[in-house]
This record gives sequence, C-alpha cells and structure tokens, in this order.
Amino acid sequence: DTEVTQTPKHLVMGMTNKKSLKCEQHMGHRAMYWYKQKAKKPPELMFVYSYEKLSINESVPSRFSPECPNSSLLNLHLHALQPEDSALYLCASSQVYRGRAQPQHFGDGTRLSIL
Amino acid sequence: GEDVEQSLFLSVREGDSSVINCTYTDSSSTYLYWYKQEPGAGLQLLTYIFSNMDMKQDQRLTVLLNKKDKHLSLRIADTQTGDSAIYFCAFLRNQGGKLIFGQGTELSVKP
Repeated sequence: DTEVTQTPKHLVMGMTNKKSLKCEQHMGHRAMYWYKQKAKKPPELMFVYSYEKLSINESVPSRFSPECPNSSLLNLHLHALQPEDSALYLCASSQVYRGRAQPQHFGDGTRLSIL
Repeated sequence: GEDVEQSLFLSVREGDSSVINCTYTDSSSTYLYWYKQEPGAGLQLLTYIFSNMDMKQDQRLTVLLNKKDKHLSLRIADTQTGDSAIYFCAFLRNQGGKLIFGQGTELSVKP
C-alpha cells in the first residue's frame, strides 16, 4: 500500500469541464510533486512544491493549475483540457534535508481520460 | 545534458536472475534510484544507492554502481512472475531536485 493517496483513481471529463485531482500524504514530507505519464513512458515532471511554495513549473500549460493548501495536501485543478492530456497523473512526495530533496514516494495515480 | 539510457525489454525464465542495466551522463547526483511500475499502478521505490557506494544489497535485490563508467545495474535473484513490471532507473539532479528517469525496462518473467 502506498503512503501517498490520490483521488479519484479514474476520471473521465469533457473538454469544457472543470475538475480537480487530489493528493494527500501524512509522512511529514515537505516537497510534493505532480507528474504526467503516458503509457509505457517515464513520468514527466510538471510541478514541484517545496514548503508549500511552488518551486518548479516545467512550462506546463495554464489549463493545469496546481495548489498546495497545506503541507499534506496537493491539488491539480483542470480546466479546458485537450484529448492529448489523457494520461496517468502521479503525485509524489519527499522529505527535504539540508535544502536537498530526498527519495520520492509515489501514489498510484489518477487515470484521466478527456473526451 | 542529462541522459539516462536503459534497454527497453528483458525476458527471463522464472527462477533465473535478471539484470537490468542503466547508463547515465550526469555524475553529480547524490542518489540513484530504481523504481518498479506494475500495470495500472504508480511507481514503487524499490531501492536507492548513494553515489559514494559501490553496492547495495536488499534481500533479492543487488544494486551495483560503477561511477567510472557511469553504469548502474539492478540484479533480481530468483526472479518470480510477480516481478514482471517496468523498471525505471532515475537520478536526482542536485540543483532543483528534479528526478531524471530512464525510458524504463519492461521485464517479462516466463514460467
């Protein structure tokens, strides 16, 4: 069982819908991450939050909007997505020690399908 | 630039050893990782090795690091059908904390 919990596990939405993906961890980790993964490809980093502040945005389109309400929660707000955005969205978290990220622990992901 | 390379497929018989190889270009990373991804699941952190180590053993898993050749390998002893998955090597870029993944090796274990 993963210690990073993602909801929902599956999401089907139209291109005009607004939805949110949620991620929660209770390991006391202070860095949290969003990745996008296409089938049989490595995950691609989207966003990094460190101590609840956005530290990395990998030039992600504005139709993806991250939010970190507190140190345990990470959201990804979705609006006006395109069919090519269909993928597995993975959340990860890690401890930060002396300013450096430690090994990342992943959730099981949300499988997103855009109609 | 950053580059991590893995062979895409490996097929072994149940009970044999599996060796999954990875080469990388950035030698500044403190950590190097192996992740396992089963179908429909997220990434499971299998093991990791500090860059100042040559070898790490954890039950059926042995990680070898050759810093001179920038080569990382994962050996799975007594491979089982439950080991069938995609295995990603990855290293942590020290600046910014970005995790750089290889393309993944799909391990198929035949009974």
